[in-house]
Order: sequence, then structure tokens, then C-alpha cells
Amino acid sequence: GAVVSQHPSWVICKSGTSVKIECRSLDFQATTMFWYRQFPKQSLMLMATSNEGSKATYEQGVEKDKFLINHASLTLSTLTVTSAHPEDSSFYICSARGGWLAGADTQYFGPGTRLTVL
Amino acid sequence: GQNIDQPTEMTATEGAIVQINCTYQTSGFNGLFWYQQHAGEAPTFLSYNVLDGLEEKGRFSSFLSRSKGYSYLLLKELQMKDSASYLCARRENTGFQKLVFGTGTRLLVSP
Repeated sequence: GAVVSQHPSWVICKSGTSVKIECRSLDFQATTMFWYRQFPKQSLMLMATSNEGSKATYEQGVEKDKFLINHASLTLSTLTVTSAHPEDSSFYICSARGGWLAGADTQYFGPGTRLTVL
Repeated sequence: GQNIDQPTEMTATEGAIVQINCTYQTSGFNGLFWYQQHAGEAPTFLSYNVLDGLEEKGRFSSFLSRSKGYSYLLLKELQMKDSASYLCARRENTGFQKLVFGTGTRLLVSP
């Protein structure tokens, strides 16, 4: 149990285009999901906290208009990188905080999405 | 990471024991997690401590001292596949219970 999927696993796009990344909890309902970004040889940096049915809470320094987050259901959150630029190239990872099935104390991570902006 | 300190790199040999230390800011603390991450992959959960003491799970154990803001991950009988980054993460005592990660410790296990 407690499986989180992400789609796509990797994407290459042109500068100026938008990219949508999906994060799904497959066998549990996640009221809260988190989006992280990780640059090479660095640790995970939290970008935003996504709560089902409400607006996301962004960390300091993260542009909410550039990184659009939607958490429309208890099993799906999406991150859209708008007008992507080469400096947005990174490894984007989501995690989901489960309810009684997964254990509320643990975040389960998706496999990540490698974004390359040309 | 934000006030979470871990050694950057460690090396050890197969079959040995290694201890990875982590110190963190104690204010607003609500649990300490250890994750393993292989290059290019997402982190996988290893252990969770919220009370003082040692939690043992097979070859891996994790220790916590809340008063000292200190934790360690102990890996026994090291195997080559244990070569990875080990991330210490502090859970904050906020409504969202978010995790703040340390910079990670890259462990290289040699034959």
C-alpha cells in the first residue's frame, strides 16, 4: 500500500512553454500533498503544500503564478510550470500524506519527474 | 537545509557499520525522519522517531535525543546497494506537518 505515482517521469520542453505534472495517490486518499524541487547533488526543497479543495501554500521565494498547483480531488494534485525557462530544469518530486490507511505520520514520495527546458 | 546539519559524504566498506549523524533546530519539532535516496530516484522511507531512544528495523536503526536536537542513522552489515544519499528530515509542528530536509549524506560503500 501507500503508493504515489507521478506522470510524466521525464519531460523535455522548449523555453516559454508550460508543463503539467500529475501526482496521484493510488491506494489511499491524501488530504495533503507536497511538491519539492531537487537540483543535482542538493537536497529536497519544499515548494508548496497542496490541500484538497483549497489554495496551495507556497514557501518563501516560490512564485505562485509560475508554479500553479491544483488539488482537485483526494487522490490527485497537479503542478504546472508556466512559461518554463532553462533555470526551471530540475527534478520535481511530490509526496502525499495519507489518512488511516497509509499512516498519517508518513509522507510517501512519488518517483519524481525530470524536467529539462531547452 | 534549514538548520539541519549532516555530514556531506561518508565512505565505508562492505560488512562494516556506519553511523550518520544529524543535528536540527529543536523549536517546533514534531518528529524526525530518515529517507534513503538513490541517484535520480525519489526518497524512500527508512525510519521515524518522535520519542527519545532507539528504533531498530533490521539492518537499520535510528536514534533520537529531543533535548539535544540530535539523531543518528545506524547501518549495519553494509552492502554495496546501501550506497546512496541519506536524508534527515525534521517534521514541523504546524498545521501542514511539513518536512524540512537536511542536505543529505552521500554514502559510498566499497568492497
